[in-house]
Amino acid sequence: EPEVTQTPSHQVTQMGQEVILRCVPISNHLYFYWYRQILGQKVEFLVSFYNNEISEKSEIFDDQFSVERPDGSNFTLKIRSTKLEDSAMYFCASSGPGAGGSGNTIYFGEGSWLTVV
Amino acid sequence: KNEVEQSPQNLTAQEGEFITINCSYSVGISALHWLQQHPGGGIVSLFMLSSGKKKHGRLIATINIQEKHSSLHITASHPRDSAVYICAVGPGYDKVIFGPGTSLSVIP
Repeated sequence: EPEVTQTPSHQVTQMGQEVILRCVPISNHLYFYWYRQILGQKVEFLVSFYNNEISEKSEIFDDQFSVERPDGSNFTLKIRSTKLEDSAMYFCASSGPGAGGSGNTIYFGEGSWLTVV
Repeated sequence: KNEVEQSPQNLTAQEGEFITINCSYSVGISALHWLQQHPGGGIVSLFMLSSGKKKHGRLIATINIQEKHSSLHITASHPRDSAVYICAVGPGYDKVIFGPGTSLSVIP
């Protein structure tokens, strides 16, 4: 069974620090996503990435956030200067390789818990 | 008003019972997704629907596009089905709007 892997599984960081969450999507997938879930709340879409660029982003995904695919395997989410309200579970996901991503099953990673103190 | 609503919010069932979870939405969509979130937090995609009905094992998902409504059914429920079931809508997976989830507990 193919899987999306995320590291770290849990990170505690001080407010104002930069955080990088890492994801290894499934190897032949072309569409990559980050979602987040604040404790007790529903999952929220952050950003989607295709062909080495952001294809969609939500209002949450402001200038503090960035994504990168630095090599052929990793997909990272960077939070530049963390705030208390960034504390959440961050899920990476991937789909593809079909066109548009919508016709394919999406696979989620296990999530990275971020706690900002 | 939330764009995606689910009912019930919480559900407790006896093992073996037939379970239905409902989802209604107010936005135009091209796809509706049912997801399962395990107690540890991990999320698994169960179905993606744009019309009709899909079946996978003991799970059945239906959608009525005109009525903007979908149901997830679990036949012969089992304690391992205990999880949060999430309905989500959108044009594929971009800008997906998630529902609040239905927490299911199946008791032996």
